Amino acid sequence: GAGVSQSPRYKVAKRGQDVALRCDPISGHVSLFWYQQALGQGPEFLTYFQNEAQLDKSGLPSDRFFAERPEGSVSTLKIQRTQQEDSAVYLCASSLWGEANQPQHFGDGTRLSIL
Amino acid sequence: QQQVKQSPQSLIVQKGGISIINCAYENTAFDYFPWYQQFPGKGPALLIAIRPDVSEKKEGRFTISFNKSAKQFSLHIMDSQPGDSATYFCAASNDYKLSFGAGTTVTVRA
Repeated sequence: GAGVSQSPRYKVAKRGQDVALRCDPISGHVSLFWYQQALGQGPEFLTYFQNEAQLDKSGLPSDRFFAERPEGSVSTLKIQRTQQEDSAVYLCASSLWGEANQPQHFGDGTRLSIL
Repeated sequence: QQQVKQSPQSLIVQKGGISIINCAYENTAFDYFPWYQQFPGKGPALLIAIRPDVSEKKEGRFTISFNKSAKQFSLHIMDSQPGDSATYFCAASNDYKLSFGAGTTVTVRA
């Protein structure tokens, strides 16, 4: 496909379980971003990769959140020991270059619900 | 701490009318100001973006106005159509990290 692809689209987990969310960026895009969007709010930055290097993880809410992009393409956001406050839509975005202020193209997100 | 403040939270406009959404920021290092449109169940889609060396940018029915001294920028949707009903987010950045406003839900009545 031509756009950013995220899977699964919906994920329901019980509190305390671990979850893994996948992002397939647009082919050839150097930069990849994860954002968290709470209900009725704008997206909040979580982390940024340039190729396989994680250059900024300042937005990750706690050490239960972990992201990787081992081969510089697909990325996984993992949340360990999930809590109810982790319920949100997790958005992935990619941009062509690693330069500042390039257009970011978003996927449709994974809606995570923690019971 | 929200770096970009957006208003109104929601608005209703008649078909053919003008929708106006306003945003304000504090960080003078911001140098890139995009607007995104989001439909329910979808990710944000880039609409239009502006840099501070330009006071206005128009693409089709969408216009951004930028006031650097006031640290404010706005989106005008001209000739609003029912298909424009969506949530609109302003954002700002000075590197790679986008700071989003809280969003404005626009409803266009036919």
